[in-house]
Amino acid sequence: TQLLEQSPQFLSIQEGENLTVYCNSSSVFSSLQWYRQEPGEGPVLLVTVVTGGEVKKLKRLTFQFGDARKDSSLHITAAQPGDTGLYLCAGEAGGTSYGKLTFGQGTILTVHP
Amino acid sequence: ETGVTQSPTHLIKTRGQQVTLRCSSQSGHNTVSWYQQALGQGPQFIFQYYREEENGRGNFPPRFSGLQFPNYSSELNVNALELDDSALYLCASGAGYTGELFFGEGSRLTVL
Repeated sequence: TQLLEQSPQFLSIQEGENLTVYCNSSSVFSSLQWYRQEPGEGPVLLVTVVTGGEVKKLKRLTFQFGDARKDSSLHITAAQPGDTGLYLCAGEAGGTSYGKLTFGQGTILTVHP
Repeated sequence: ETGVTQSPTHLIKTRGQQVTLRCSSQSGHNTVSWYQQALGQGPQFIFQYYREEENGRGNFPPRFSGLQFPNYSSELNVNALELDDSALYLCASGAGYTGELFFGEGSRLTVL
């Protein structure tokens, strides 16, 4: 059974601070996805990383995939109140695993004005 | 707006009852995956349907069953409801083997 450990579980920071969320596993994933989920809504895809060592940037968000494709991180620069939400990492094992994602427990981020 | 719609949005059942949740996929998507998200947790994979056939199942008992119809809409059925079945049930559709998964807003089930 593949597991994804996500940390921290909760983050409460002030506007303008930087933060990093980590996602770790002992298993190799063919791809790692990051989602953001608002209350009362389903997860919305932010990014997919597929190559070991890959770095992707989306405005103030930077995503990294570990060289061994077992871990990933999400870094937010100068957080804003609009970044508040639940952040989820999800791994796909490859092969016939399309759509069969293993999710981390999630990180609840609160950015205070 | 993902184009994936789920119904009902909220429902309350009692232990032992049965429930059917529905999902209408985005046009052109032939793959639908169902997930259970308990409060404060990440979603857990229940099963997937591809072209009306079950195509993989997570660690859920047989009382969780599903259907996919020719128009690629889908149902999740849960029999003999237990208190621990209280959760947000999410469906996600995709074009099959590639591309983004699109999640619906979920059906919030409370079992009393």
